[in-house]
Amino acid sequence: DGGITQSPKYLFRKEGQNVTLSCEQNLNHDAMYWYRQDPGQGLRLIYYSQIVNDFQKGDIAEGYSVSREKKESFPLTVTSAQKNPTAFYLCASRNQGAWTGELFFGEGSRLTVL
Amino acid sequence: EDQVTQSPEALRLQEGESSSLNCSYTVSGLRGLFWYRQDPGKGPEFLFTLYSAGEEKEKERLKATLTKKESFLHITAPKPEDSATYLCASTGGGNTPLVFGKGTRLSVIA
Repeated sequence: DGGITQSPKYLFRKEGQNVTLSCEQNLNHDAMYWYRQDPGQGLRLIYYSQIVNDFQKGDIAEGYSVSREKKESFPLTVTSAQKNPTAFYLCASRNQGAWTGELFFGEGSRLTVL
Repeated sequence: EDQVTQSPEALRLQEGESSSLNCSYTVSGLRGLFWYRQDPGKGPEFLFTLYSAGEEKEKERLKATLTKKESFLHITAPKPEDSATYLCASTGGGNTPLVFGKGTRLSVIA
């Protein structure tokens, strides 16, 4: 079945460590997105990519990095520079050419800093 | 700056008690207004897209409507399984990312 796969579902990090969250899609979508969700804050955009080898910062990019070497993959690295990384992270994608704009979401990754 | 505001933050209903959730938006050249449902610990699930004022869409007990300034998600005779957080989002079109509201947390009590 087509969809978006995020891994791991749960991740624990010690302070000072970098961690990478995986996002893979087999929907043949051009655009991919990373959102962060905190209680009472809604979804906030971290980074997005519209084509391979190109990406743009969202509203809260500080302390995060991404790469887009393949159309299917958009991994997110949470660096030690991110001061409050404990959150629920959501990856999404949509068809670049379809202006309906519907986003398809993965099941999320919950990161906890110990 | 594009903004989406949802109200109320939380809503508690008895089973069968109909109500509405509100989403007001300030987006230049709105190209789409979206409703999602999110269960705890899960990714959001797409419900509706509305494109122009006056448009309505229905799915089971849910009906979404759109005016020039806001959208409503009407829930008719809700059941406990309708309990979830409902998210609203808007876009100015093209390749611009969606802007999300903070959501309304709905609880339906049997």
